[in-house]
Amino acid sequence: QQPVQSPQAVILREGEDAVINCSSSKALYSVHWYRQKHGEAPVFLMILLKGGEQKGHDKISASFNEKKQQSSLYLTASQLSYSGTYFCGTEAGTYKYIFGTGTRLKVLA
Amino acid sequence: DAGVTQSPTHLIKTRGQQVTLRCSPKSGHDTVSWYQQALGQGPQFIFQYYEEEERQRGNFPDRFSGHQFPNYSSELNVNALLLGDSALYLCASSLGVGGANTQYFGPGTRLTVL
Repeated sequence: QQPVQSPQAVILREGEDAVINCSSSKALYSVHWYRQKHGEAPVFLMILLKGGEQKGHDKISASFNEKKQQSSLYLTASQLSYSGTYFCGTEAGTYKYIFGTGTRLKVLA
Repeated sequence: DAGVTQSPTHLIKTRGQQVTLRCSPKSGHDTVSWYQQALGQGPQFIFQYYEEEERQRGNFPDRFSGHQFPNYSSELNVNALLLGDSALYLCASSLGVGGANTQYFGPGTRLTVL
């Protein structure tokens, strides 16, 4: 079952914050976050392995609630370079990996 | 440090033909996964190779096959091409098997089937 992301799309002004959510109907053991710009390959942002774990990468951070089977990505003081489609990804069985439905983010000047 | 490389960049084929796509993993990585990404969609897992064996497969028909070589590079073969096979094919490498390992993606091969 593919993880569902919300919102599907969001438009921001530079400097605004955003939250992207990823929910799974199955147990999550790890969550990866990727950003993909148009016509390019997905770029790894971060991985969360433990329930309740939070990580940060510059002004991008994420949380992972194992019990709720959810992860959230927080974009703070967004920059133009943050524009793209964000995907969460998780294991869907041994050696198998599944991406979420995606969230399109556009940051305007 | 070389990242993941894929060849060719673009490819145009006709229905019924066969195609081979190639991937070289990031230096030090031993696992290669292949994904299909249709326009406007997220990547869909095709299969993963480790120790020259297919370890897991997504919901793709047998027309999709692969191979991993002793140097960890990999090939994706698609037989009897259909129009619906048109997509961006992504290769991702990681160290070790399992979905919890960080994957690094190559630039992809854009396949167009006419």
